[in-house]
Amino acid sequence: AQSVAQPEDQVNVAEGNPLTVKCTYSVSGNPYLFWYVQYPNRGLQFLLKYITGDNLVKGSYGFEAEFNKSQTSFHLKKPSALVSDSALYFCAVRDKSGNTPLVFGKGTRLSVIA
Amino acid sequence: ETGVTQTPRHLVMGMTNKKSLKCEQHLGHNAMYWYKQSAKKPLELMFVYSLEERVENNSVPSRFSPECPNSSHLFLHLHTLQPEDSALYLCASSQLAGDSYEQYFGPGTRLTVT
Repeated sequence: AQSVAQPEDQVNVAEGNPLTVKCTYSVSGNPYLFWYVQYPNRGLQFLLKYITGDNLVKGSYGFEAEFNKSQTSFHLKKPSALVSDSALYFCAVRDKSGNTPLVFGKGTRLSVIA
Repeated sequence: ETGVTQTPRHLVMGMTNKKSLKCEQHLGHNAMYWYKQSAKKPLELMFVYSLEERVENNSVPSRFSPECPNSSHLFLHLHTLQPEDSALYLCASSQLAGDSYEQYFGPGTRLTVT
């Protein structure tokens, strides 16, 4: 069975500071990993994914995420937060073997304070 | 968000009404999904259609009835809903082949059951 944990319901960070949103996963095989962002009254927007290759993945809006197999983590990071980054962030996983839908975490609300 | 469109964006219906939500994807994908997003709850996967066949139904009450007439269109027919069915209903699509699999979401339909 696949699962995703986002241990923080809320993350607060000052504008200009680095931000990290945490995600850990569990799959039986090798994972495909994803990050999505949701702004108010909008659907989820794809940010970035890890399929294979470099452990550091770069995505939209200056975000990046680092795949760490030993810690089964895929934390989302940005060097300098913007107020406009305030939104709900979802981590998702699926096993490379099989044809299953993505499994989403419960989401982390990021607030960037000016 | 033009890749996946949803109509209507907002819907208010009484418990005895019958209505339908519509989703259309313009991405050439072969899988489509319905999700329910309630306040303070994780995303709930409701239905999955792959190549127009329903492949997953996560114990959704029969008052929700999906229909996938072709690979570009997905409907969710609603009848005799309950107030607890009020939520944001999200449609998504993906390509089930290769190393992709990221799901693209529509903007959602905000449903209020009175």
